[in-house]
Amino acid sequence: NAGVMQNPRHLVRRRGQEARLRCSPMKGHSHVYWYRQLPEEGLKFMVYLQKENIIDESGMPKERFSAEFPKEGPSILRIQQVVRGDSAAYFCASSPQGNNEQFFGPGTRLTVL
Amino acid sequence: DQQVKQNSPSLSVQEGRISILNCDYTNSMFDYFLWYKKYPAEGPTFLISISSIKDKNEDGRFTVFLNKSAKHLSLHIVPSQPGDSAVYFCAASGSTSYGKLTFGQGTILTVHP
Repeated sequence: NAGVMQNPRHLVRRRGQEARLRCSPMKGHSHVYWYRQLPEEGLKFMVYLQKENIIDESGMPKERFSAEFPKEGPSILRIQQVVRGDSAAYFCASSPQGNNEQFFGPGTRLTVL
Repeated sequence: DQQVKQNSPSLSVQEGRISILNCDYTNSMFDYFLWYKKYPAEGPTFLISISSIKDKNEDGRFTVFLNKSAKHLSLHIVPSQPGDSAVYFCAASGSTSYGKLTFGQGTILTVHP
């Protein structure tokens, strides 16, 4: 049973470009969470999605960030017009029931030049 | 507002001895607590959890203690092994927060042979 998959593992963007981060949850999991880890900090919740629905986006910055989890395909975290402060590790987690049993992917390390 | 705090950035322990990692929280709505272990360039791996209806949970070498009145939890690893060297995060969630996890900043554990 494959774990949570994230790609790309490393992403380099120049300021002003768009970043797209993908997350495929574990088989049978329909709940996806995105977290961000800034250097020297813990993970911070960004958004919680179920298939085709955003359940809680209280941790998402109000501008430039969006997330989706379509009926088919992976969940996408999209960052428009990236700035240097967006450089971080972005982790996706999935769970079968939308509860605390969350399994994390390996993360995508975004570097903004 | 740091609702979950790990006040020790690092801990160094001799192989075979006990490692004790501490975590404090401020939000009284938290009722479920977890510990994750993280190696560099990997995602967090779930270790052990505890519900607020308990004060202790044990799994092999890992035991988590919860003191609700003090809003404090700790992770005990006995005996410590060099392979336990990693960053340890405590996390908390509330029953009304859909599994959204709030993480501490992490403690770097180094176990010396």
